[in-house]
Amino acid sequence: QKEVEQNSGPLSVPEGAIASLNCTYSDRGSQSFFWYRQYSGKSPELIMFIYSNGDKEDGRFTAQLNKASQYVSLLIRDSQPSDSATYLCAVNNNNDMRFGAGTRLTVKP
Amino acid sequence: EPEVTQTPSHQVTQMGQEVILRCVPISNHLYFYWYRQILGQKVEFLVSFYNNEISEKSEIFDDQFSVERPDGSNFTLKIRSTKLEDSAMYFCASRTYFSVGADTQYFGPGTRLTVL
Repeated sequence: QKEVEQNSGPLSVPEGAIASLNCTYSDRGSQSFFWYRQYSGKSPELIMFIYSNGDKEDGRFTAQLNKASQYVSLLIRDSQPSDSATYLCAVNNNNDMRFGAGTRLTVKP
Repeated sequence: EPEVTQTPSHQVTQMGQEVILRCVPISNHLYFYWYRQILGQKVEFLVSFYNNEISEKSEIFDDQFSVERPDGSNFTLKIRSTKLEDSAMYFCASRTYFSVGADTQYFGPGTRLTVL
């Protein structure tokens, strides 16, 4: 069974703070890792992807991957109220991508 | 910017009826996917499709489901005999080609299926 686990939240941070989102996965053959953002009633929107161990930064977002620990995280710096959404971790092996249940983030002004 | 489109945005059907959900992937993309999301639950992988055949499918994708690329642009999901539990948002996604580092999937806006 290919499982992707996330804390469901809600995670609440004040505006300007760092939000930290975590994800673990069970399939050791997983090759690529994604963070999507989903607003209520909308489709997933890609935030970042990462393939190699370590950190990857893109603007206010940093993804971290540790394949040995089967762990992926997303840091959002200088959080804004518009960042309030559900963040989905997705893990891909060949052509089979599995999602976590998502972490609901609320950024309070 | 090119995007994945889906029709209809909302489909209401009676239990036992057949439905076809339609998707137009991004034009130069080669891999196509269907996912579903039951209200309040996680996005679930159904099936991936490449070169006119199924590449991977999940345990959810049983005999009542089928996929087809009837022409050069459309990608369809057929549910043969709908059940109440098929009520969900169905997302189509596509990507360019398969290699680690270039396998980002882009999602369509979804079709909300309601089975009565």
